[in-house]
Amino acid sequence: GQNIDQPTEMTATEGAIVQINCTYQTSGFNGLFWYQQHAGEAPTFLSYNVLDGLEEKGRFSSFLSRSKGYSYLLLKELQMKDSASYLCAALDSNYQLIWGAGTKLIIKP
Amino acid sequence: ETGVTQTPRHLVMGMTNKKSLKCEQHLGHNAMYWYKQSAKKPLELMFVYSLEERVENNSVPSRFSPECPNSSHLFLHLHTLQPEDSALYLCASSPNTEHSNQPQHFGDGTRLSIL
Repeated sequence: GQNIDQPTEMTATEGAIVQINCTYQTSGFNGLFWYQQHAGEAPTFLSYNVLDGLEEKGRFSSFLSRSKGYSYLLLKELQMKDSASYLCAALDSNYQLIWGAGTKLIIKP
Repeated sequence: ETGVTQTPRHLVMGMTNKKSLKCEQHLGHNAMYWYKQSAKKPLELMFVYSLEERVENNSVPSRFSPECPNSSHLFLHLHTLQPEDSALYLCASSPNTEHSNQPQHFGDGTRLSIL
């Protein structure tokens, strides 16, 4: 079957760096998305990776290793507003999105 | 971002009621989606519409009935729901569905509680 695994919850300190991991098992692969979802709000698009390597967007970076079925989202210089759930989703060979359950990130002062 | 608007934001209903959720997108997209989001579970895709035609129905119970009158509007009609249907219902849109890696744009959702 198809599956996405990511930690349920993580805690980090304001100003620090945190890495949220995601592993995927899909029938074929057409890329991986990261979304941010604040409580009671819409998931918002953060990044899309389809090639191996690191893509940087300001304080957020996303990494992909296709051979390992692995991605991570790296958040630097953490701010309180980064407290949210982070959703990992992979596109399979039919361009269907396979979603993870999300990682709730708690930022402490 | 207000590209996708959902109403109502909160809905409490009894198991015998009939209600409808509404979604409107102002992004000029051709595809619209309904998802169910339960705590600590992955998003569950319920329905997909492409150019007002239903292209996917993921074995959703018939007590959920979608309607897409045009490419900007999507409804989810609810009747005789069960307590386990309590969840956040998210609407999303994307430019198209065919072989697309374009990100989906989500509304804020309707928090549904079944008494």
